[in-house]
Amino acid sequence: GDSVTQMEGPVTLSEEAFLTINCTYTATGYPSLFWYVQYPGEGLQLLLKATKADDKGSNKGFEATYRKETTSFHLEKGSVQVSDSAVYFCALRGRGWVNAGNMLTFGGGTRLMVKP
Amino acid sequence: ETGVTQTPRHLVMGMTNKKSLKCEQHLGHNAMYWYKQSAKKPLELMFVYSLEERVENNSVPSRFSPECPNSSHLFLHLHTLQPEDSALYLCASSQETSGGTLRDTQYFGPGTRLTVL
Repeated sequence: GDSVTQMEGPVTLSEEAFLTINCTYTATGYPSLFWYVQYPGEGLQLLLKATKADDKGSNKGFEATYRKETTSFHLEKGSVQVSDSAVYFCALRGRGWVNAGNMLTFGGGTRLMVKP
Repeated sequence: ETGVTQTPRHLVMGMTNKKSLKCEQHLGHNAMYWYKQSAKKPLELMFVYSLEERVENNSVPSRFSPECPNSSHLFLHLHTLQPEDSALYLCASSQETSGGTLRDTQYFGPGTRLTVL
């Protein structure tokens, strides 16, 4: 079945540091890939997505490129801020009909802590 | 604000209580989901209502009972829960298309923080 593997956290960075959170996936076919962010005390929010190979999703200074050859979708940001402190989830969604095995599959989440 | 609201935001209940969680989406979507988020565990999909069909995860205990009276509302009825059911329960919605085409993004509500004593 589909699976998503993220680097374990927490990731602790100083403000303005470069961020990379690794995400690799296993899926049949060509899934869509997502990054969701969860700020403290809140639900998940879509951060960015990519629907086909070589697509780059970007939002709020974050970027991720859909790499089919390495089955990866690493999240990057050039200069993090304290307000970026949150838990980041990588997810995939397969194609085809709705069924119990074809929903969003999430990674375990990576907590990012940015210090001033 | 994602267009998906959940009430209550916090709930404390005893093991013998019966309560319900409510989710409402204002996005015109036709699919809704319940997820469970426990500490140190991946998000678990519990139930899906999509294209008027209910798809459920067979590993969900019967003490959790979903109800979807229409495409905008989703409930999770709770009874005789256990302390290990304490978690953040997240509702999400999306617009599903037929014919095997690619589905759109899921939009999440803020969650209900449930504590079972």
